[in-house]
Amino acid sequence: DTEVTQTPKHLVMGMTNKKSLKCEQHMGHRAMYWYKQKAKKPPELMFVYSYEKLSINESVPSRFSPECPNSSLLNLHLHALQPEDSALYLCASSQDTGGGLADTQYFGPGTRLTVL
Amino acid sequence: AQSVAQPEDQVNVAEGNPLTVKCTYSVSGNPYLFWYVQYPNRGLQFLLKYITGDNLVKGSYGFEAEFNKSQTSFHLKKPSALVSDSALYFCAVRDGADSNYQLIWGAGTKLIIKP
Repeated sequence: DTEVTQTPKHLVMGMTNKKSLKCEQHMGHRAMYWYKQKAKKPPELMFVYSYEKLSINESVPSRFSPECPNSSLLNLHLHALQPEDSALYLCASSQDTGGGLADTQYFGPGTRLTVL
Repeated sequence: AQSVAQPEDQVNVAEGNPLTVKCTYSVSGNPYLFWYVQYPNRGLQFLLKYITGDNLVKGSYGFEAEFNKSQTSFHLKKPSALVSDSALYFCAVRDGADSNYQLIWGAGTKLIIKP
């Protein structure tokens, strides 16, 4: 089973709201990722967790706050977002073996976020 | 500098004909190459990857890709296209000289299969 699940599927929020995106995988993967994707563009890496520790933060604004409560779960907390943050937010996971070079990343279906 | 190029924004193919989606790359070390497909309003689905070994890699849904080291290419192919293959295709590479998790993505190619 190569399934990554994400909730909610759609989210509309105002610029003063606080919301969270959730991601879950049960493949025993130890690396988890958040990506942002604009329409018809490749995904942009935001954060990487390896063994539940933040490994990469691609200079993402502090209004995005990731959290990895355990090896199966990944959250993205959102606060005071801007309209330009509207995008598809994708979660992915991979095994994280030997540096991860050969690992396949498996993606969830994404959360379509609209910021008003 | 590390990069991936997908030279065609869009590829149009008639159903039943062979299809090719092109990808070339530039990395410092050994390349680890991936193809993903994205259907409208969906996440990315893994199709296939090249790590080492046989240059011809077979993947999901009848797709295959050929690694060509001298031409630094990894073109995606399918012998007979289906209308359901219409989607956005991304090529991605990891640089074996790097030690991070970063995938370097191509810009994507929209594949349209006409009945």
